[in-house]
Amino acid sequence: QVQLQESGPGLVKPSETLSLTCTVSGGSIRSGYYWGWMRQPPGKGLEWIAYMFHSGSTYYNPALKSRVTTSIDTSKNQFSLKMTSVTAADTAVYYCARLAVAGTYGYFQHWGQGTLVSVSS
Amino acid sequence: EIVLTQSPGTLSLSPGERATLSCRASQSVSSNYLVWYQQKPGQAPRLLIYGASNRATGIPDRFSGSGSGTDFTLTISRLEPEDFAVYYCQQYGGSLTFGGGTKVEIK
Repeated sequence: QVQLQESGPGLVKPSETLSLTCTVSGGSIRSGYYWGWMRQPPGKGLEWIAYMFHSGSTYYNPALKSRVTTSIDTSKNQFSLKMTSVTAADTAVYYCARLAVAGTYGYFQHWGQGTLVSVSS
Repeated sequence: EIVLTQSPGTLSLSPGERATLSCRASQSVSSNYLVWYQQKPGQAPRLLIYGASNRATGIPDRFSGSGSGTDFTLTISRLEPEDFAVYYCQQYGGSLTFGGGTKVEIK
């Protein structure tokens, strides 16, 4: 069974860049799935951020696209998220996940445990 | 963008009762590309239903999904203690959007 694990700083200063990495185990990142990021502010609902295929095809949430960059490292079975110019509104639990995609869009099949990222000076 | 509205916001029921959760879309969801997730406090969401009515691997058969077009339902036939949680619907027929969630709490 595929497992995902997020890693990265739990505290980021306002205006700086949030960086997270997700390590995939129990399966290859080169498989026919997409890999993505989602977040959940404390006490609130779910928001997707971006997802990508190992070949490079990437889809971004239009609301976040201008601040988000993703990458994938097939040699390490990892993928990453960078979000620039963060504010307190970006404080959330960030999840990495595997998606099943039909056409352009998809749903989240397997999730990491999530990591809380707080934006504060 | 397709907006998903879940109702009720909170459902108070007792173990053994039937739970019926609604997810209504602002426009038709193509190919019934709608899923349901369960989320317990402090945990990641878990996929329950995909394609509106297909149970994900390992999901008990007391969970069932139905509906098409703009109206979808998640039914839990008999609530077990572990089923008290928040449930989200999500569509992927046109962009990707989530409902606001329904909390199923113990009465």
